[in-house]
Amino acid sequence: ETGVTQTPRHLVMGMTNKKSLKCEQHLGHNAMYWYKQSAKKPLELMFVYNFKEQTENNSVPSRFSPECPNSSHLFLHLHTLQPEDSALYLCASSQDVGGNEKLFFGSGTQLSVL
Amino acid sequence: AQRVTQPEKLLSVFKGAPVELKCNYSYSGSPELFWYVQYSRQRLQLLLRHISRESIKGFTADLNKGETSFHLKKPFAQEEDSAMYYCALYLHGSGNTGKLIFGQGTTLQVKP
Repeated sequence: ETGVTQTPRHLVMGMTNKKSLKCEQHLGHNAMYWYKQSAKKPLELMFVYNFKEQTENNSVPSRFSPECPNSSHLFLHLHTLQPEDSALYLCASSQDVGGNEKLFFGSGTQLSVL
Repeated sequence: AQRVTQPEKLLSVFKGAPVELKCNYSYSGSPELFWYVQYSRQRLQLLLRHISRESIKGFTADLNKGETSFHLKKPFAQEEDSAMYYCALYLHGSGNTGKLIFGQGTTLQVKP
């Protein structure tokens, strides 16, 4: 599949669980992003990676831990989450981190924390 | 503070009517603005960017630095335009860093 692929599409987890979200892009891009989309808030940037290096951490709690092993893969490791962390988590990629870069989004992982 | 504001959560118009989705921004630097769109059951995707000065699907947006606005307009709305629209602003960081921040989004509903 081309484009940005996220797995799983849906995830239900308890507050004591540990899970991971996966994102993969087949576009040859160098930059990858995690965004959080909640019902009552704007799309919030969480992390930015450029050439596997983290360039942005938007004051995200440590219970969210990103990992970027290479330019094509991005993970978000989750542990001891809270119910308010329930949201749609979107991954995106772009050719580079730059002002006029077009972001390509995945379909997202709908996360529910019980 | 740097932010993007879309004052309308929902905009409902009839087919053939003009559409204007409002976006205002607050940014001390040189603004680079975008409109992203999410159709039902589809991914969020880029609609247009101000630097390209393009018209996509009949939509245009002009950057007005005096009013710090980047409103999205279309003279005649179509039912297939019904979607969620997000205005976005690129914030420059140091070196080769930066980030794209989004407004709250406006749902456009075009009625037949």
